[in-house]
Amino acid sequence: QSALTQPRSVSGSPGQSVTISCTGTNSDVGAYNYVSWYQQHPGKAPKLIIFDVNKRPSGVPDRFSGSKSANTASLTISGLQPDDEGDYYCCSYAGSSVLFGIGTRVTVL
Amino acid sequence: QVKLKESGGGVVQPGTSLRLSCAVSGLRMTRSSMQWIRQAPGKGPEWVALMWYAGGNRWYADSVRGRFIISRDDDKNILYLQMNSLRVDDTATYYCAKVYGSGWYADFWGEGTQVTVPS
Repeated sequence: QSALTQPRSVSGSPGQSVTISCTGTNSDVGAYNYVSWYQQHPGKAPKLIIFDVNKRPSGVPDRFSGSKSANTASLTISGLQPDDEGDYYCCSYAGSSVLFGIGTRVTVL
Repeated sequence: QVKLKESGGGVVQPGTSLRLSCAVSGLRMTRSSMQWIRQAPGKGPEWVALMWYAGGNRWYADSVRGRFIISRDDDKNILYLQMNSLRVDDTATYYCAKVYGSGWYADFWGEGTQVTVPS
């Protein structure tokens, strides 16, 4: 099982929106509506920000939204803020296992 | 308040063994499934193993199956990862995490413990 494919980096100015794609296969992303997204700041553990494709845990701002079409999931960050800078990883249940993406570095210009 | 604290990491030679521990507070593992996730330097996370809260069912990533064993002590509320036949590519920060939902999400994480297997 290979890691899910994400762009290495995306960037945007404060207040703008950025979208990160996550491409898998019909054995993972395409097979289940169990896609999640994690945010990671340097030296910290990842933090769950989206689960079940488009649901947000308590405390996560609604600026973060998720979607999915076929084998590709997406995370959109609206109203980009300086604290949004960091690494973002998609993740998919893959039938008795879990696959993570390679990660996308979000830079706030 | 859920708190997870890993320990037991270190520098070990290829082919040797190491046991990681995760002290769990704020929940009982007899009611919450738990997992290990690792992250090699500069890489994305990699799911390692999961132990179901009831019945002790366990699942492993292909990369560790047959070498690693996930277990727990219900009296001490500690999660373990026994790692045998360690390889250079097992080098990573190892996190324990609480499982949430049918998608095996990780909603609470520890700070991680570093394991280094030098070449």
